[in-house]
Amino acid sequence: DAGVIQSPRHEVTEMGQEVTLRCKPISGHNSLFWYRQTMMRGLELLIYFNNNVPIDDSGMPEDRFSAKMPNASFSTLKIQPSEPRDSAVYFCASSLTGQNTEAFFGQGTRLTVV
Amino acid sequence: QQPVQSPQAVILREGEDAVINCSSSKALYSVHWYRQKHGEAPVFLMILLKGGEQKGHDKISASFNEKKQQSSLYLTASQLSYSGTYFCGSHTTDKLIFGTGTRLQVFP
Repeated sequence: DAGVIQSPRHEVTEMGQEVTLRCKPISGHNSLFWYRQTMMRGLELLIYFNNNVPIDDSGMPEDRFSAKMPNASFSTLKIQPSEPRDSAVYFCASSLTGQNTEAFFGQGTRLTVV
Repeated sequence: QQPVQSPQAVILREGEDAVINCSSSKALYSVHWYRQKHGEAPVFLMILLKGGEQKGHDKISASFNEKKQQSSLYLTASQLSYSGTYFCGSHTTDKLIFGTGTRLQVFP
């Protein structure tokens, strides 16, 4: 398997624009996590899905952020409108369900909002 | 609630030892440890599932005190390749939350 695949790797956009980040989890994994990493806040859990259903989105910072998982092999994280403070590295990770399973991370999307 | 790690940063010479601590205000059902090198994604090191469990991986080992809601990562005879940021992860009801991180730098 190619691992968790995220696109794009880098995104530079202007404030106010819509940004969509994409993630393809490892085939067979039924848990998917979106994280945001910044120097100030570390690795924050934004939302996680189990069997394509959003289970906990309490980490989503505000209504400008939304995430979907239309099927087992694809998820998106959308920011509309984007703001400079959204600049961060966004990671997607997938795992099998359960506390004894490791999470596999994608290479991340570095987002810069100017 | 995010687990708290200490220290925030460690600087070592090759061959020295280090301990990284992870403490949670909520019950820990399992503890994950990951290492992230600069510019890369976090990579899994190990999981501890039971209170008192200890695991080893090369010269990196960890312990888990379920009662105290704490875990510690031990790096013995550090190598240059150990440099990076270490995260503990608290896994409860399928939700994986990472600690504040500890940056480790190993110099020759």
